[in-house]
Amino acid sequence: GAVVSQHPSRVICKSGTSVKIECRSLDFQATTMFWYRQFPKQSLMLMATSNEGSKATYEQGVEKDKFLINHASLTLSTLTVTSAHPEDSSFYICSARAGGFGEYGYTFGSGTRLTVV
Amino acid sequence: QKEVEQDPGPLSVPEGAIVSLNCTYSNSAFQYFMWYRQYSRKGPELLMYTYSSGNKEDGRFTAQVDKSSKYISLFIRDSQPSDSATYLCAMSFTGNQFYFGTGTSLTVIP
Repeated sequence: GAVVSQHPSRVICKSGTSVKIECRSLDFQATTMFWYRQFPKQSLMLMATSNEGSKATYEQGVEKDKFLINHASLTLSTLTVTSAHPEDSSFYICSARAGGFGEYGYTFGSGTRLTVV
Repeated sequence: QKEVEQDPGPLSVPEGAIVSLNCTYSNSAFQYFMWYRQYSRKGPELLMYTYSSGNKEDGRFTAQVDKSSKYISLFIRDSQPSDSATYLCAMSFTGNQFYFGTGTSLTVIP
């Protein structure tokens, strides 16, 4: 149980275009999902907390107009990178918590490798 | 100062060795401690979790938390080549937002 599916796993886009990444909880409902960004050889950095039915909470330094988050249902959160630039190239990972803390902890998606050319 | 410090390695050990991975932290309010394993280009997967202090064992893996020293460890016994991955520690105040270490890259040589 506690599977998080993330799609696409890899995307290459042109500078200036927008890219949407989907995060789905397959066998549980997630009122809260989290979006992380990971640069090579660096830690996961929390970008934002996605809350079903309400606005996302962004971490300091993260541009909310650039990284649009929509959590329209209990099983789906999307991250849209708008007007992407090469510096947005990174590994984006979502996570969600299934059940009480400890049973599954936080389950992560498999990540999306974004390359902006 | 970072909230969580973790030696990035890389760490290379022969098959069958005992591996010790460690993290230190600065905020004594952390209550939840987790270890994740991340294979290349994949999302992290939960290995162990601990609430507050103490030890926890699961198969070949043992997690230890020493809150007095602000130090957590993950031990891997009888290491296998399939254990080769990056290991991330993570901790939280409330069980919601987590702070991650940079990860330690481990290679187990057959």
